[in-house]
Amino acid sequence: EAQVTQNPRYLITVTGKKLTVTCSQNMNHEYMSWYRQDPGLGLRQIYYSMNVEVTDKGDVPEGYKVSRKEKRNFPLILESPSPNQTSLYFCASSLSGTGAYNEQFFGPGTRLTVL
Amino acid sequence: RKEVEQDPGPFNVPEGATVAFNCTYSNSASQSFFWYRQDCRKEPKLLMSVYSSGNEDGRFTAQLNRASQYISLLIRDSKLSDSATYLCVAGGSYIPTFGRGTSLIVHP
Repeated sequence: EAQVTQNPRYLITVTGKKLTVTCSQNMNHEYMSWYRQDPGLGLRQIYYSMNVEVTDKGDVPEGYKVSRKEKRNFPLILESPSPNQTSLYFCASSLSGTGAYNEQFFGPGTRLTVL
Repeated sequence: RKEVEQDPGPFNVPEGATVAFNCTYSNSASQSFFWYRQDCRKEPKLLMSVYSSGNEDGRFTAQLNRASQYISLLIRDSKLSDSATYLCVAGGSYIPTFGRGTSLIVHP
């Protein structure tokens, strides 16, 4: 089944404790991205990747890191989480490198709470 | 800052009603437009792409007005299952911009 998977789905952590949210897609998509969704603010892009080893900042990259060593995986890293990073996070993938032109397929979401 | 604006609603309509949502975008260089549907606490899913000539998919019709920089979504014969949040998206190249969504509630 074609899909985007994220893990964990739910995470409660404490300020400053490094964490990684994994994202994997099995559709051989070139473009992958991370979003956060907050009430009243909608979906905002954190980072995106046009292909392996090619990443760039989205609208709200502060406090986050990403890597794209393999085409299928695009982990999101919070080196020192803070409470303002409490949010619902979505990973998405899209067929071509210019992701904004194509349908994006979203993972099920990761609900992160930073205490 | 590039913006996509939507009326958050909620739009509260009876079954069978026709409802329309509009969305405006500020980036005149935007070249691709979409409507996504998002159910509560779930991931967004593509509802339809929006083409310059407009497009229709069953009860759903999307229109693009480049001169006025808005896109619209028309839902005819609303069903209870249409209750959701509808997200408008305008894309340039690498960074699609999502609106904050319009909430639709269809009641019996």
